[in-house]
Amino acid sequence: EVQLEESGGGLVKPGGSLRLSCAASGFTFSYYNMIWVRQAPGKGLEWVSSIRSSSSYIYYADSVKGRFTISRDNAKNSLYLQMNSLRAEDTAMYYCARGGRDGYTPRDYWGQGTLVTVSS
Amino acid sequence: QAVVTQEPSLTVSPGGTVTLTCGSSTGAVTSGHYPYWFQQKPGQAPRTLIYDTSNKHSWTPARFSGSLLGGKAALTLSGAQPEDEAEYYCLLSYSGAYVFGTGTKVTVL
Repeated sequence: EVQLEESGGGLVKPGGSLRLSCAASGFTFSYYNMIWVRQAPGKGLEWVSSIRSSSSYIYYADSVKGRFTISRDNAKNSLYLQMNSLRAEDTAMYYCARGGRDGYTPRDYWGQGTLVTVSS
Repeated sequence: QAVVTQEPSLTVSPGGTVTLTCGSSTGAVTSGHYPYWFQQKPGQAPRTLIYDTSNKHSWTPARFSGSLLGGKAALTLSGAQPEDEAEYYCLLSYSGAYVFGTGTKVTVL
């Protein structure tokens, strides 16, 4: 059974940093591209970042470029999102999702999300 | 950045048919935008229903179908059920950037 489990969310002050993790199981993690999507409270979905299976291609939304870094460790079946210089508008539920083998969009499975709150 | 537009809300009767659309500020939506459709119910993570315009997953009820219609991506729900009441989002690809639509709240009433 494919499972994605996010962790690392919490309360952080503006300007602070946080590292999110997504633990994957039930599939060969190294074969698939992975994605982070976020959703501010009461708002719609926003694509954040995507990474190729080999980490050779990485894409970011303009809203996070230069502040967030996506990475993965295929040996640990884990996806990460390092978030720096956090702002109030980064407050959201952050979801990881599995992409296709050749696509950078949430093809099938999603995690349940981890909540990030940026507030003083 | 492109803006992807959906109807804010639609109402369908049980057993009825409704079509949701997904338009792009850059022009006509084509198969090259690889349209996706997601369903999200309150308090739950999104669920991918349709990918690459019209492909379904094993969990996608047969009553949902995806297409291109009049320069937009479309999601048609035929034979609506009470459990289909949810928010629906589309997603379009723009050469390394990916934009979700504004979302459509579907009420089955």
